[in-house]
Amino acid sequence: GAVVSQHPSWVICKSGTSVKIECRSLDFQATTMFWYRQFPKQSLMLMATSNEGSKATYEQGVEKDKFLINHASLTLSTLTVTSAHPEDSSFYICSARDPAGTSGRAYTDTQYFGPGTRLTVL
Amino acid sequence: SQQGEEDPQALSIQEGENATMNCSYKTSINNLQWYRQNSGRGLVHLILIRSNEREKHSGRLRVTLDTSKKSSSLLITASRAADTASYFCATVSKGFKTIFGAGTRLFVKA
Repeated sequence: GAVVSQHPSWVICKSGTSVKIECRSLDFQATTMFWYRQFPKQSLMLMATSNEGSKATYEQGVEKDKFLINHASLTLSTLTVTSAHPEDSSFYICSARDPAGTSGRAYTDTQYFGPGTRLTVL
Repeated sequence: SQQGEEDPQALSIQEGENATMNCSYKTSINNLQWYRQNSGRGLVHLILIRSNEREKHSGRLRVTLDTSKKSSSLLITASRAADTASYFCATVSKGFKTIFGAGTRLFVKA
């Protein structure tokens, strides 16, 4: 399938610092990317929809100023967790949509998920 | 709540048996997808079924969709120990918004 990468795969930081997570679509252009958060033994919760060249759309209850999203190009979206606290520790997963089918895969309405980034805030 | 519902929450079966997981959702959808996630890992896309389809097969997987009941089921036949994972349904609706179900944790005993 199409490849979506995330960097870093894991990060440990001190409380109060900011952490940036990158999501890249490697072989297709993603006008839309999504950011999810997953707590242990729970499902994925959509945090925000990231649109290239415009502001992200955040889900209810997600703080815009705390989770900064930048989708500066068709292949890169970043999530910055600002002033991280231990309760922000979670597994963050991005996904990317290939609306134009540039990857050549059969489905253009399938999301391709990154491998996730595990954030631990001490 | 953002999440759809899945049942059972956990399922333990013997290798060779079939496993059935159910998913219910609340809104109208464009399609429904099933994913697998091994512990602490990323998601693996299993199968997509469109809103105008009723059944889909892929290898040992069989998915049904009943839009009138807003429900779907995933059947894994002849299960293997390697099928042990969490399984999530995800509904995709207008604007490509994707909502995940709560998930079913499947444990296949060798």
